[in-house]
Amino acid sequence: GENVEQHPSTLSVQEGDSAVIKCTYSDSASNYFPWYKQELGKRPQLIIDIRSNVGEKKDQRIAVTLNKTAKHFSLHITETQPEDSAVYFCAASSGGGNKLTFGTGTQLKVEL
Amino acid sequence: DVKVTQSSRYLVKRTGEKVFLECVQDMDHENMFWYRQDPGLGLRLIYFSYDVKMKEKGDIPEGYSVSREKKERFSLILESASTNQTSMYLCASSPWTGAGRTGELFFGEGSRLTVL
Repeated sequence: GENVEQHPSTLSVQEGDSAVIKCTYSDSASNYFPWYKQELGKRPQLIIDIRSNVGEKKDQRIAVTLNKTAKHFSLHITETQPEDSAVYFCAASSGGGNKLTFGTGTQLKVEL
Repeated sequence: DVKVTQSSRYLVKRTGEKVFLECVQDMDHENMFWYRQDPGLGLRLIYFSYDVKMKEKGDIPEGYSVSREKKERFSLILESASTNQTSMYLCASSPWTGAGRTGELFFGEGSRLTVL
């Protein structure tokens, strides 16, 4: 089955700096890569996703890049703000059955 | 807005008890999922279901079973709770988006289960 590794497990940045979280996956058939954000005490929510037919996707201050050859994808947050502080999860799916395999999460802390 | 409701936010049970966790979604989604969330381990899939009365094992199904008698309701059952099942349980649903395509997961607020 699919295995998703996520790094780092914790990340502390100064407000206004950029943050990068990286994930690797094992199943070359995976074709969908979402990122979920979970604020303290709340449910995970989708913030951005990418499918295997594109290499990069941007939505305001967040972007995701995908390298299918190397089987890794990354989340980039620019101009970080305190409200970006949360746990971020990457995930991968082969599309067969809508089954998502999640990474172990990154605790991002944006310091003033 | 999609709403996924889990019946209990907090439960405390004793070892050996049978535990039911209920989840209801109001958006007519075909797919429903049960994950458990543990620090450092992320979200791990227990069971999922594509349709009424259908179920498939996820990555960690041992010690759990599920029931989907109606499209909107997906129940997680711990036949005999053990202390290593103390965890946060998250239910999620997603729409069918076509063959080979995965849709957005909509999560419930979670059920924190403590087994003593």
